[in-house]
Amino acid sequence: GQQVMQIPQYQHVQEGEDFTTYCNSSTTLSNIQWYKQRPGGHPVFLIQLVKSGEVKKQKRLTFQFGEAKKNSSLHITATQTTDVGTYFCLERGSNYKLTFGKGTLLTVNP
Amino acid sequence: EAQVTQNPRYLITVTGKKLTVTCSQNMNHEYMSWYRQDPGLGLRQIYYSMNVEVTDKGDVPEGYKVSRKEKRNFPLILESPSPNQTSLYFCASSLGTGMNTEAFFGQGTRLTVV
Repeated sequence: GQQVMQIPQYQHVQEGEDFTTYCNSSTTLSNIQWYKQRPGGHPVFLIQLVKSGEVKKQKRLTFQFGEAKKNSSLHITATQTTDVGTYFCLERGSNYKLTFGKGTLLTVNP
Repeated sequence: EAQVTQNPRYLITVTGKKLTVTCSQNMNHEYMSWYRQDPGLGLRQIYYSMNVEVTDKGDVPEGYKVSRKEKRNFPLILESPSPNQTSLYFCASSLGTGMNTEAFFGQGTRLTVV
């Protein structure tokens, strides 16, 4: 897998505010997946992006893959306390290695 | 129910005492892998296996061994654990190594080496 940088490392928001986490790579990504890990839990798959410029939505979550396939973002509109957790991006390289971003820990103040 | 099962969930051991963390999946997945999760470092891949009898090193393989004698099982072996292997460990499996495959994670094993 390639080096994938994820920012920010932490984000604290008031309930109802929006939240965005970003994954960036210096090289072209073949695809990117997003996972969510609740506190004390294990990572759970959210979505996969493959095409340049792809945008996918899941209720209040919007996922984007950059035109150059070097970056991706996860945006949550009007956060809720149930959104609390760590969000990871994952690049599945062609060499079978999997490289996770370091994750963004989201906390939500009710 | 489709799942990845790790055992034990919690383990406290002493330096140098060999241990094995088991991982089993019931989805007939080809690809299995182990990760360790440490604060500030995220999830780092230890070893992975593309199929039975086929394993390879991830990013942090030192001090670990794995085996894949059956498709469903992928144990992680620490021959001589050291305190720097204190961590949260996850096993994961996926249908294959292709791009359109999501990873399913076990519940995690919290290991403390004293």
